[in-house]
Amino acid sequence: DQQVKQNSPSLSVQEGRISILNCDYTNSMFDYFLWYKKYPAEGPTFLISISSIKDKNEDGRFTVFLNKSAKHLSLHIVPSQPGDSAVYFCAALGTTSGTYKYIFGTGTRLKVLA
Amino acid sequence: KAGVTQTPRYLIKTRGQQVTLSCSPISGHRSVSWYQQTPGQGLQFLFEYFSETQRNKGNFPGRFSGRQFSNSRSEMNVSTLELGDSALYLCASSLEPTMNTEAFFGQGTRLTVV
Repeated sequence: DQQVKQNSPSLSVQEGRISILNCDYTNSMFDYFLWYKKYPAEGPTFLISISSIKDKNEDGRFTVFLNKSAKHLSLHIVPSQPGDSAVYFCAALGTTSGTYKYIFGTGTRLKVLA
Repeated sequence: KAGVTQTPRYLIKTRGQQVTLSCSPISGHRSVSWYQQTPGQGLQFLFEYFSETQRNKGNFPGRFSGRQFSNSRSEMNVSTLELGDSALYLCASSLEPTMNTEAFFGQGTRLTVV
């Protein structure tokens, strides 16, 4: 049972346009969400996060939106740049069976076309 | 086996001082992450260490720093304390860096800046 889902395995966007990456979760007890970016042959790099008590967090070109009622979060990248081409993972942090656990989505590969 | 140990549990400091918090991970865990929890901001990611190297860093000013020792114990330092630094500081340990692993949290250090 996948508790964190990224339903789009890939996404292509023109340089300068907005990239929107989506993530859905099933457990309403998650209290923290993170986005990671991963280049080939490298470990994931923390990008941006949001606490469940907020609905938006912005950092430069990156904004994460959280819709708790829909159990949905999204990452917006504006404007998209070729260097943003990578795999993006969303992760949720919360308690499962009494212990905190990271649950990662399966990732979305973003390709920004020059 | 022993869980994640954070010391001290409680701390009161005055503005302008510096503070060092300690975290001993679960035996065998090599990854340590630090979080700040405040009522207004919720849980926020500070940084992550693996094998004595900082792998990820959140959006905190340079006054917040950390390090990890060869035995995986980690310290977090905050210099020139501000009133807004009052928070619960949580440390989490995991076998590997964040990616499909469980992260176990300590009980936290409650820092009060007056």
